[in-house]
Amino acid sequence: DTEVTQTPKHLVMGMTNKKSLKCEQHMGHRAMYWYKQKAKKPPELMFVYSYEKLSINESVPSRFSPECPNSSLLNLHLHALQPEDSALYLCASSLVVGYEQYFGPGTRLTVT
Amino acid sequence: SQELEQSPQSLIVQEGKNLTINCTSSKTLYGLYWYKQKYGEGLIFLMMLQKGGEEKSHEKITAKLDEKKQQSSLHITASQPSHAGIYLCGADETSGSRLTFGEGTQLTVNP
Repeated sequence: DTEVTQTPKHLVMGMTNKKSLKCEQHMGHRAMYWYKQKAKKPPELMFVYSYEKLSINESVPSRFSPECPNSSLLNLHLHALQPEDSALYLCASSLVVGYEQYFGPGTRLTVT
Repeated sequence: SQELEQSPQSLIVQEGKNLTINCTSSKTLYGLYWYKQKYGEGLIFLMMLQKGGEEKSHEKITAKLDEKKQQSSLHITASQPSHAGIYLCGADETSGSRLTFGEGTQLTVNP
């Protein structure tokens, strides 16, 4: 089973809202990732978690707050977003850092 | 950080034709990954190459990494409409934690 699930599929939120994106995998992977993808562009790395610890933050604004409550779950908490934050948010996991990453289907986020 | 150049940007082929997509880096790569993406969906892992000169095949898709580990090609034999999508090469310089992607190649296969 190489499945990474993401919820919700679509999310529309206002600039003053607080919402969360959820990512889950049951492959025993110990590395998890958040990417942001704008239309017709490649995914851009946002955060890397390794063994439930944040190992990389690619200078992401603090209105994005990641959380890894356990080895299977990865959340991305959103607060006071801007319209330019509208994008496809992809979660990925790998056995450990350095192995191939498996991606979820993404959450399409629209900020109004 | 390293940059990856993919070519061509887009490709339209007739079903049954062979095609090649290229990915080039200015730096030696630790690992090179090929993914396929349907618009607005997640990325599907195709292959990972790590050793210079390495070649891997899966069904009708073959990927190669050159000896210097700076260039990779993805070759599709006898293309089918199901091969249509965006092909992305991804690479990391060091330990695999920072994966960066090329701009992608949009492949259309006409029946």
